Amino acid sequence: QQQVKQSPQSLIVQKGGISIINCAYENTAFDYFPWYQQFPGKGPALLIAIRPDVSEKKEGRFTISFNKSAKQFSLHIMDSQPGDSATYFCAAVMGGGGNKLTFGTGTQLKVEL
Amino acid sequence: KAGVTQTPRYLIKTRGQQVTLSCSPISGHRSVSWYQQTPGQGLQFLFEYFSETQRNKGNFPGRFSGRQFSNSRSEMNVSTLELGDSALYLCASSPGTAYNEQFFGPGTRLTVL
Repeated sequence: QQQVKQSPQSLIVQKGGISIINCAYENTAFDYFPWYQQFPGKGPALLIAIRPDVSEKKEGRFTISFNKSAKQFSLHIMDSQPGDSATYFCAAVMGGGGNKLTFGTGTQLKVEL
Repeated sequence: KAGVTQTPRYLIKTRGQQVTLSCSPISGHRSVSWYQQTPGQGLQFLFEYFSETQRNKGNFPGRFSGRQFSNSRSEMNVSTLELGDSALYLCASSPGTAYNEQFFGPGTRLTVL
């Protein structure tokens, strides 16, 4: 049972463009939503995270938009660069203790020159 | 600060054997979580240990077990290996309190023949 749905599966963006990855969740007990970036041969690394009490969080070129009523959140990468080419995972954590990450299926991003 | 280390990095086993993977968390971190990553199933949570106690458990069969030592180092064991256990096994460490960043190791690539 996929509790966090992620789309698209793959994405090709031109250098300088905006990359947008979307996620949706079902369980309203989730209360922490991190995004991870993974390069080949490496473990995932935290990119940016948000809690449902805010609708947007920005860190540099990366922005999370959060729609609590729709149970959706998205990652926007502004001014996409070839170095951003990686696999991106959204995730969700349930409140109440513990660090169990429920991951989306991942998006392979390729930024072309 | 040294990152999360996992040993061994690569492992080849045959069906029916058992395997033990090791994870050394970042110094001071008390929580260690394990994840299985495969192309078909993506990133799936196995279990989390906090202060030597299992705090969360995923939906994996009892062949998958783990433990955590007093120095926070953790081991994961898989008994009676099956072909489907071939995967990248990732360990993540965090301080253990809510909403903390989880830091992933590079993983152990297990191949079951």
